[in-house]
Amino acid sequence: GAVVSQHPSWVICKSGTSVKIECRSLDFQATTMFWYRQFPKQSLMLMATSNEGSKATYEQGVEKDKFLINHASLTLSTLTVTSAHPEDSSFYICSAQKTSGIYEQYFGPGTRLTVT
Amino acid sequence: AQKVTQAQTEISVVEKEDVTLDCVYETRDTTYYLFWYKQPPSGELVFLIRRNSFDEQNEISGRYSWNFQKSTSSFNFTITASQVVDSAVYFCARRSGGGADGLTFGKGTHLIIQP
Repeated sequence: GAVVSQHPSWVICKSGTSVKIECRSLDFQATTMFWYRQFPKQSLMLMATSNEGSKATYEQGVEKDKFLINHASLTLSTLTVTSAHPEDSSFYICSAQKTSGIYEQYFGPGTRLTVT
Repeated sequence: AQKVTQAQTEISVVEKEDVTLDCVYETRDTTYYLFWYKQPPSGELVFLIRRNSFDEQNEISGRYSWNFQKSTSSFNFTITASQVVDSAVYFCARRSGGGADGLTFGKGTHLIIQP
């Protein structure tokens, strides 16, 4: 159990376009999901916390108008990179948190975004 | 920010050698969790272990072992009799005990096991 999926696995888009990444908890409900970004050969950095039915909370330095997060259901959060630029090229990973117990978090397999 | 420090950027050893990956963390929390993840070239994180702040018992799982010492704020990871398949980037991470925080990761240690 506790499987998290991301779609797409990889995406190439042109500069100036927008791209949406989905994060789904397949076998559990998650009121909270987290979005991380990982640049090549670097660590994972938390971008934002996504809460079902409310606005996301962004980490310092992350542009909320550029990275739109929607958590419309207990099993789905989406991250939309708007007006993407080459510097947004990165590996985006989500995690979904169980709503009980020790609030275990489970990571998705990641989405590799390349902006040309 | 409560940092996680992995001072070893890259370690290279010959297969069958033992290797220890260091992790030092900062925390102001009484309750917190520590983690180790493996990230192979595919990018997908592989969960290795979670430790809560109240459990300082060392843990062994096959060739893997972890040493948690609150006195030195360290959570080190040892691979015994390393194998080529252990080659990957390993991340140490922490989070607070409440349910509202994401993980804070260290910079990672790139482990290379040479045949």
